[in-house]
Amino acid sequence: KAGVTQTPRYLIKTRGQQVTLSCSPISGHRSVSWYQQTPGQGLQFLFEYFSETQRNKGNFPGRFSGRQFSNSRSEMNVSTLELGDSALYLCASSSVAGGQNEQFFGPGTRLTVL
Amino acid sequence: QQPVQSPQAVILREGEDAVINCSSSKALYSVHWYRQKHGEAPVFLMILLKGGEQKGHEKISASFNEKKQQSSLYLTASQLSYSGTYFCGTESGGSNYKLTFGKGTLLTVNP
Repeated sequence: KAGVTQTPRYLIKTRGQQVTLSCSPISGHRSVSWYQQTPGQGLQFLFEYFSETQRNKGNFPGRFSGRQFSNSRSEMNVSTLELGDSALYLCASSSVAGGQNEQFFGPGTRLTVL
Repeated sequence: QQPVQSPQAVILREGEDAVINCSSSKALYSVHWYRQKHGEAPVFLMILLKGGEQKGHEKISASFNEKKQQSSLYLTASQLSYSGTYFCGTESGGSNYKLTFGKGTLLTVNP
C-alpha cells in the first residue's frame, strides 16, 4: 500500500505571496489532518477533514485554509505569507475520524519564507 | 491546550531504560505516541484509550492514568534505533477530532 504523499517537498517563497500544498492520503483513508512543525513549538494542529468536511480547526489565523476533494486528497493554502510561516507542514491520514486509530504521516513540505 | 512532556531530552547508553511522561490539564479520551527520527515523518507507536484498551507495538509499553490525565511511555533495553524525538498526542473527545501534540522528548541512545 502506498503511503501518504505530499507535494512539493520543498518550497521557497517571499513574504506576501501565497502557497498551496497538496496531500494524497493512503488509499481508503477518508480523514486528513494537517500540522505545522517548528523547532520551538513541536507539532501544531491546523485542521482535520473527513469526507470533504472540515471537522476541526486549530488556533491559526484565517490566512491558513484547506479543503478536501471527493477522492480524499487535500490541499492547504496559506495566503499573505509571513516569515513566521516557515516550517515543515505535515499531513496525516487515518481510516476513520476520531482518536481510536493511528495516523500515518507524510514526509512533509518544507516551506521557507524569505 | 498542549500536553506537557518530560523530560525534554534524555541520553542513554544501549541497554538502559527510559520513561517519557505526558500530562494534560484536560480530561483525556485517548493518548497517542509517535516517534520521529531526524528528517523523517513521525511514526505511530501506540494508542491508549480511555477504558484501558491499547493498540500498538508489542515491544513498547505505555500506561494511561485517566484520573491523573497522564500517560507514560516505557522504553526498556534501549537500542540505537530508539533514538529520535517522541511525541505524545492527546485527544479530549467530543464530536470533533483534534489531536494536540506535546513539544516532544529527544531521546539519544549511544553505544
